[in-house]
Amino acid sequence: GAGVSQTPSNKVTEKGKYVELRCDPISGHTALYWYRQSLGQGPEFLIYFQGTGAADDSGLPNDRFFAVRPEGSVSTLKIQRTERGDSAVYLCASSYAGTANTGELFFGEGSRLTVL
Amino acid sequence: KQEVTQIPAALSVPEGENLVLNCSFTDSAIYNLQWFRQDPGKGLTSLLLIQSSQREQTSGRLNASLDKSSGRSTLYIAASQPGDSATYLCAVKDSNYQLIWGAGTKLIIKP
Repeated sequence: GAGVSQTPSNKVTEKGKYVELRCDPISGHTALYWYRQSLGQGPEFLIYFQGTGAADDSGLPNDRFFAVRPEGSVSTLKIQRTERGDSAVYLCASSYAGTANTGELFFGEGSRLTVL
Repeated sequence: KQEVTQIPAALSVPEGENLVLNCSFTDSAIYNLQWFRQDPGKGLTSLLLIQSSQREQTSGRLNASLDKSSGRSTLYIAASQPGDSATYLCAVKDSNYQLIWGAGTKLIIKP
């Protein structure tokens, strides 16, 4: 696609529910990142995929958070038993090369999650 | 541990002025530095990417410089316009490929 696409753009859910957020990266981009951003702050790293595998999931806050990228393209971020503190904008980014010395990141518009 | 700081946190200037946004980082062992723009409620738009071997990059009215030895980058915006109002974030890509982010500078251009 022309850019990184994220769905849904907005999600309101109740505490304790399960949520899935989807990211469709730019075609051909091998690296995919998930971040979350709270108001007035910079993005917080969650997980990084290189191809199908999670190369670094050290940013996932706890075991309620999980992400997959089964075919090396679309990724889904899954949040179980949501809590009010999970409310944030979840951003996805992709890059042609995941190596550190190249790779401009392109971001989607984000998915705004509100947990009531 | 790499830390990225952006000062000021907010800036308001009249339309037409040239301005400079600052980004500093504590560890000079970086691979690249990227400047982003974020409009309220929107995602991040990449403005300029400077590789560690480069000193500056230009795109239209924007010019970004990089001085690794002093741990500084600046984003210069010429002839500012109200449409430039947004939050500007810088991010450093370190040796572990992660981006380390500043908190951003909120820019308001007054008509």
